[in-house]
Amino acid sequence: KNEVEQSPQNLTAQEGEFITINCSYSVGISALHWLQQHPGGGIVSLFMLSSGKKKHGRLIATINIQEKHSSLHITASHPRDSAVYICAVRIVMYSGGGADGLTFGKGTHLIIQP
Amino acid sequence: GAGVSQSPRYKVAKRGQDVALRCDPISGHVSLFWYQQALGQGPEFLTYFQNEAQLDKSGLPSDRFFAERPEGSVSTLKIQRTQQEDSAVYLCASSLGASGESYEQYFGPGTRLTVT
Repeated sequence: KNEVEQSPQNLTAQEGEFITINCSYSVGISALHWLQQHPGGGIVSLFMLSSGKKKHGRLIATINIQEKHSSLHITASHPRDSAVYICAVRIVMYSGGGADGLTFGKGTHLIIQP
Repeated sequence: GAGVSQSPRYKVAKRGQDVALRCDPISGHVSLFWYQQALGQGPEFLTYFQNEAQLDKSGLPSDRFFAERPEGSVSTLKIQRTQQEDSAVYLCASSLGASGESYEQYFGPGTRLTVT
């Protein structure tokens, strides 16, 4: 079982719809990242969260530490939002420190149709 | 401003060849990470440098993989005797602080390696 699970794997929606992508994790973490990856392109960091909620433009990210769950919302979706959205966590090690690298989910492939 | 750059962007190697992939992190960034992303999958951690020190290489899949960052800036990931299963996108990321703290990671465009 992956330590980071995302749902849905694929999502197709119409322009203007409200989009929600979910991320659940099974380990203790010090931070959770939401990332965006366009086809053939690099990865762009959208948010880094350790608690609560963050908003940037039409994007909102929330995290519930107790439930080990995070959501990424896109309001008023647009075709340019079409991309793969990846959830990644920094795992807390038994020593109390964080893992050196991030552990990633498999991504959610989002297509927004005009 | 300059972000993380990687070269080459695309590399085709014949099975058994050695390859070297380069990463130029953001100037002044202490931490540098290498990740491997297979087709349709999320990236997986390979190795981590804090300045010139390779502090974690637990994700390197075999002893054919070797990484260095001799002066604490540019890093090279070398794969010896490439195999078909090495075909993937290799991503480099850098962050301002040391791994002990949670800093945003900035990713390069990746190098797509195809082994034929």
